[in-house]
Amino acid sequence: QKEVEQNSGPLSVPEGAIASLNCTYSDRGSQSFFWYRQYSGKSPELIMFIYSNGDKEDGRFTAQLNKASQYVSLLIRDSQPSDSATYLCAAEGQGETSYDKVIFGPGTSLSVIP
Amino acid sequence: DAGITQSPRHKVTETGTPVTLRCHQTENHRYMYWYRQDPGHGLRLIHYSYGVKDTDKGEVSDGYSVSRSKTEDFLLTLESATSSQTSVYFCAISSGIQETQYFGPGTRLLVL
Repeated sequence: QKEVEQNSGPLSVPEGAIASLNCTYSDRGSQSFFWYRQYSGKSPELIMFIYSNGDKEDGRFTAQLNKASQYVSLLIRDSQPSDSATYLCAAEGQGETSYDKVIFGPGTSLSVIP
Repeated sequence: DAGITQSPRHKVTETGTPVTLRCHQTENHRYMYWYRQDPGHGLRLIHYSYGVKDTDKGEVSDGYSVSRSKTEDFLLTLESATSSQTSVYFCAISSGIQETQYFGPGTRLLVL
């Protein structure tokens, strides 16, 4: 079965620092990748998606994709306490089964310390 | 926010009883999904639907059934609830099978 892996954390960074969240995926055929943010007790919400190698920036968030290394990352610049949440990485799958279509990682818990 | 609602939002039930969770969307998206989320496991797909009356199993479908009689509604049924089905259940929708998924607010289910 295809997999998406993330460090579970918790990752702690001081306010104003850069938070770096990492994700690796096993399906070399994956083309699209998604980052979701999930606050405690809430549902996941999409932050960014990326499908081209390189960087994609949106405000304080930058997604980085390296298909050769099967690696996706999310950088959060000028981290704020409001960024404290669990971040889920998801990859489009190329498998034949239904649950290979979009595969979610277990999430990384981020804590931004004031 | 995508127009997705789930009901009930919280439910406590006893082992062996049937339970039905409802997901309702106003976005007219073709695809609808049911996930469960448990500590250490992340989001796991239970079932999904690719159209009215068209459904398929996910990774953890045992003990669950689904139905979709209208585009806007996707029902998840636990025929005979067990304690291992205590979880948070999320409904999601998307316009395509590999497109962005938008999640409902979730249902917290406790099976005693």
